Amino acid sequence: NAGVTQTPKFQVLKTGQSMTLQCAQDMNHNSMYWYRQDPGMGLRLIYYSASEGTTDKGEVPNGYNVSRLNKREFSLRLESAAPSQTSVYFCASSPSGGTYEQYFGPGTRLTVT
Amino acid sequence: GQQVMQIPQYQHVQEGEDFTTYCNSSTTLSNIQWYKQRPGGHPVFLIQLVKSGEVKKQKRLTFQFGEAKKNSSLHITATQTTDVGTYFCAGRGGNNRKLIWGLGTSLAVNP
Repeated sequence: NAGVTQTPKFQVLKTGQSMTLQCAQDMNHNSMYWYRQDPGMGLRLIYYSASEGTTDKGEVPNGYNVSRLNKREFSLRLESAAPSQTSVYFCASSPSGGTYEQYFGPGTRLTVT
Repeated sequence: GQQVMQIPQYQHVQEGEDFTTYCNSSTTLSNIQWYKQRPGGHPVFLIQLVKSGEVKKQKRLTFQFGEAKKNSSLHITATQTTDVGTYFCAGRGGNNRKLIWGLGTSLAVNP
């Protein structure tokens, strides 16, 4: 099992450019999440999807959109990148039962100039 | 809204010293999880505490959940260089599936 995979690993964008961060999990988890991590700010939830076909806003959704393409895949789109979106982005998934622990992907390091 | 405060923000210890990080919630939690993130890595789940007053151990790591289920701690005995990283607590209240994350405690260990 690959667990949670994310592409790309690194990306540099210019202000105003758009891009989509891809995430996939092979653990048959229902729930998936997108976080951003900035120094001193911990992990902040951008969007989450409790199950296929549903998405909900998290703590910092402005400037982002998401798509839960199927049970495996959850993508994050930046329509018009801004320097304030320079961050490390983590995708995570969790099962619907048990401890609901979250499994994280390796992250995407995004720089917006 | 619900908040989880984590202290200290940073801790620098000599190898072999003990280390403790604390989490305090503004509201009662249904459970609390702990994660570790190595430098340059991603958060990795360590443990979940559910019961009031619960204590769990993983080798040199001891996790506690307070009687009121509003605070928790992680204690590492005799730190090693492999313990370096940031430790996050994340609490969940009621039926809300969203975790509320602490800001983390970054641990540095001098060999």
